[in-house]
Amino acid sequence: AQSVTQPDARVTVSEGASLQLRCKYSYSGTPYLFWYVQYPRQGLQLLLKYYSGDPVVQGVNGFEAEFSKSNSSFHLRKASVHWSDSAVYFCVLSFNSAGNKLTFGIGTRVLVRP
Amino acid sequence: EAAVTQSPRNKVAVTGGKVTLSCNQTNNHNNMYWYRQDTGHGLRLIHYSYGAGSTEKGDIPDGYKASRPSQENFSLILELATPSQTSVYFCASGGGTGGNTQYFGPGTRLLVL
Repeated sequence: AQSVTQPDARVTVSEGASLQLRCKYSYSGTPYLFWYVQYPRQGLQLLLKYYSGDPVVQGVNGFEAEFSKSNSSFHLRKASVHWSDSAVYFCVLSFNSAGNKLTFGIGTRVLVRP
Repeated sequence: EAAVTQSPRNKVAVTGGKVTLSCNQTNNHNNMYWYRQDTGHGLRLIHYSYGAGSTEKGDIPDGYKASRPSQENFSLILELATPSQTSVYFCASGGGTGGNTQYFGPGTRLLVL
């Protein structure tokens, strides 16, 4: 069975600092990977997704993620965070290209201090 | 921009009562999904649908039913609500014109007393 591990439940960073959120997945086939963000009291929004090709994918609002098959990882990065980046970030795995069934990590809550 | 709406946004129910959560999407997506979100679990799939008239069990379907009467509407039904069903419920749509991205509604907070 597939699974997603986000080892950091909470991350606190200062505004302007860089951010990296870790994600490890477990799946024997070809993974389809997503990062979603949930702002307070809102639904989830897609940041970026990876299916194949260049292992570094760009997303919205300056986020990027890097896929590593050898490490079974899909880490999210941002060079300089803003207070508005405070949210919960979910790493998500799908095992089909239609994205019909998603497996979510437990999420990492990010707090950006002014 | 994809649009998924949910009603009610907040609900208080009594144990043993019937609860219906509604979801509407205006994107003409074929697929719709119901998830619940609990601390320490991320989102977990309850039921999903590939189109009007179809419903499929997700990973945690026990205690829940679903109904998809039309392309736009997808309901989650708790026939006999229990306190363990206290949670935040999210509806999502995707597939078809939406491709493989799922678009989420704002969520419904359900408290079962």
